[in-house]
Amino acid sequence: EAAVTQSPRNKVTVTGGNVTLSCRQTNSHNYMYWYRQDTGHGLRLIHYSYGAGNLQIGDVPDGYKATRTTQEDFFLLLELASPSQTSLYFCASSDWTGTETLYFGSGTRLTVL
Amino acid sequence: QQKVQQSPESLSVPEGGMASLNCTSSDRNFQYFWWYRQHSGEGPKALMSIFSDGDKKEGRFTAHLNKASLHVSLHIRDSQPSDSALYFCAASKNYNQGKLIFGQGTKLSIKP
Repeated sequence: EAAVTQSPRNKVTVTGGNVTLSCRQTNSHNYMYWYRQDTGHGLRLIHYSYGAGNLQIGDVPDGYKATRTTQEDFFLLLELASPSQTSLYFCASSDWTGTETLYFGSGTRLTVL
Repeated sequence: QQKVQQSPESLSVPEGGMASLNCTSSDRNFQYFWWYRQHSGEGPKALMSIFSDGDKKEGRFTAHLNKASLHVSLHIRDSQPSDSALYFCAASKNYNQGKLIFGQGTKLSIKP
C-alpha cells in the first residue's frame, strides 16, 4: 500500500511563530496535497502540487505557503502562525493516472496558542 | 457555502442494520465522486469511487449516483462495529484534474 509519512505528529507553537510541516511519499506519485480538517468543515484543500517545483493554490490558502522540493517531499509553511490555524493537517498523494485514489498520511495536530 | 454537502451530520445504526449516507453537490461541474472513511486517529482511506449514473456495489457497500440531481449516496448493509467512523464524500470536476473537494463528513456509530 502507498506510504505517506508526516512529521511531526504533534506541534505546539505560539501566535506569530514559524512552523514547518513535512510530508514524504515513497510511491512515485506526481500529485501531493495539503488539507486541513476541522469539525463541521471536513477536509479543506490548502495547496497542492503536481511535481517538483510546482505549486497550485487550493481553497483555503491564506496564511500558508508550500514548497515541493522533490518528487517525494512536500512542505507546508506557516510563517506567522495564528490561533485560527489550530487544526489537524493531512498530507496526501496520488498519481491521477488511473487509480485516482488519494493516499493520506496519519496527520499532524497543530496547536497555536 | 460548502460545494459538497453531506447528510446527516451523524448517524447511529444497530449492528447488522443498514446505514445510508447522503451527499449533494452544488456545482454541476462535479462529475466524479468518491467515498472515504476515517477511523479515529488515522488518515482517511478511500472506500470506493463512482463516475456513472446508477449503482456500484463492492461487498457490503453500495454507492448510488444521480448526476441529474447531483446526488450520491452510500449504503452499508449488515453494519459492523468496525464500520464506526467518519465518512467523507469527495468530488472532482475532471477525472485527472488533481483537485478533490471533500464534504464536511458524516459520523457513523454502529451500536452492538
